[in-house]
Amino acid sequence: GDSVTQMEGPVTLSEEAFLTINCTYTATGYPSLFWYVQYPGEGLQLLLKATKADDKGSNKGFEATYRKETTSFHLEKGSVQVSDSAVYFCALSHRGSTLGRLYFGRGTQLTVWP
Amino acid sequence: DSGVTQTPKHLITATGQRVTLRCSPRSGDLSVYWYQQSLDQGLQFLIQYYNGEERAKGNILERFSAQQFPDLHSELNLSSLELGDSALYFCASSTMRWSVAGGTDTQYFGPGTRLTVL
Repeated sequence: GDSVTQMEGPVTLSEEAFLTINCTYTATGYPSLFWYVQYPGEGLQLLLKATKADDKGSNKGFEATYRKETTSFHLEKGSVQVSDSAVYFCALSHRGSTLGRLYFGRGTQLTVWP
Repeated sequence: DSGVTQTPKHLITATGQRVTLRCSPRSGDLSVYWYQQSLDQGLQFLIQYYNGEERAKGNILERFSAQQFPDLHSELNLSSLELGDSALYFCASSTMRWSVAGGTDTQYFGPGTRLTVL
């Protein structure tokens, strides 16, 4: 079945460090891929998405590239800030008649220290 | 602010009781999804409605049910509550239109309802 695996946290970085959070998926067909972020005490916010192979999603300095050959969608940011501290979720959904439900990874807690 | 509202924000109740969680989707969104977030299970899809009709079921217990009303708001009913039902319950909405070609629309999440069963 469809599933998402992301690196276990927590991840702790100093401000301005480089961030990578690994995400791989198992799915039939050509899913769309997403990164959601959850700040403390809040709901999930869409961070970025990619809907086909080789697409790059980007937002707020974060980037992720849809790699079909490696079934991956790793999240990267060149220089993290304290305000990036949150839980990050990788997710996938399918097009068309398969209803659009999201399959989530377990989440990766990121803490950035000043 | 995603435009999706959920009430109540917090709910504390006892085992065996029944509660109703309410969700109002973004204006114009026809699809509503319910998810449960717990420490042991992570984020799990429960059920989806599209324009008043049930479209998909995930890991939803038989004690749980949902509906979407003509004004498109949705309610999730949880009955015979157990300690293990304590979790964050999220509602999300999207503009996904049903068609042969399909498509993937972004889901916008509400702030969640935190349910505590004592």
